[in-house]
Amino acid sequence: DVKVTQSSRYLVKRTGEKVFLECVQDMDHENMFWYRQDPGLGLRLIYFSYDVKMKEKGDIPEGYSVSREKKERFSLILESASTNQTSMYLCASCGAGNNEQFFGPGTRLTVL
Amino acid sequence: GEDVEQSLFLSVREGDSSVINCTYTDSSSTYLYWYKQEPGAGLQLLTYIFSNMDMKQDQRLTVLLNKKDKHLSLRIADTQTGDSAIYFCAETREGYQKVTFGIGTKLQVIP
Repeated sequence: DVKVTQSSRYLVKRTGEKVFLECVQDMDHENMFWYRQDPGLGLRLIYFSYDVKMKEKGDIPEGYSVSREKKERFSLILESASTNQTSMYLCASCGAGNNEQFFGPGTRLTVL
Repeated sequence: GEDVEQSLFLSVREGDSSVINCTYTDSSSTYLYWYKQEPGAGLQLLTYIFSNMDMKQDQRLTVLLNKKDKHLSLRIADTQTGDSAIYFCAETREGYQKVTFGIGTKLQVIP
């Protein structure tokens, strides 16, 4: 059974903290994605990676960075969390040449 | 850039058919998807259609594509309370890693 896991379901952080969100997939997928989901805005792509150590900016990369040191793991980093980064964060992966994305359960991040 | 639009909310009675509509702007779209998100969960692919198809049926689900009008719909027959979820329309092109999602339609099924 294919699986994308995210390190936390719920996270509460303070403004200015550095936040790491981890995502792991066990399907040997080349492509991994980070989205944020907000009411009325749907899913917006933050960053994606098509290979180890490769990354591409999505539609809203400001305030975020990513790391892909191993194929199965894609990390989203908030260098200095702000209240407008309170959101649901969804990780996804898909294989090369295959557009079906498999999603993790999401991390609901609250920044106080 | 690419844009995918769908209405925010749909309410139907249990046993009725639900039709969720979506429009997209990218004429180069080759894959069109419907994803389902149940409360507290990530998205799960429900079905997809290639741009060279008009219709695809899978049990209670029927997807219709009008490529000329760039209009996609998802029909759920005999809607059940377990179908209550947010449904996302999405599109991408052949060989393109990025997928553009709509904002999601929340389907409420009234018993």
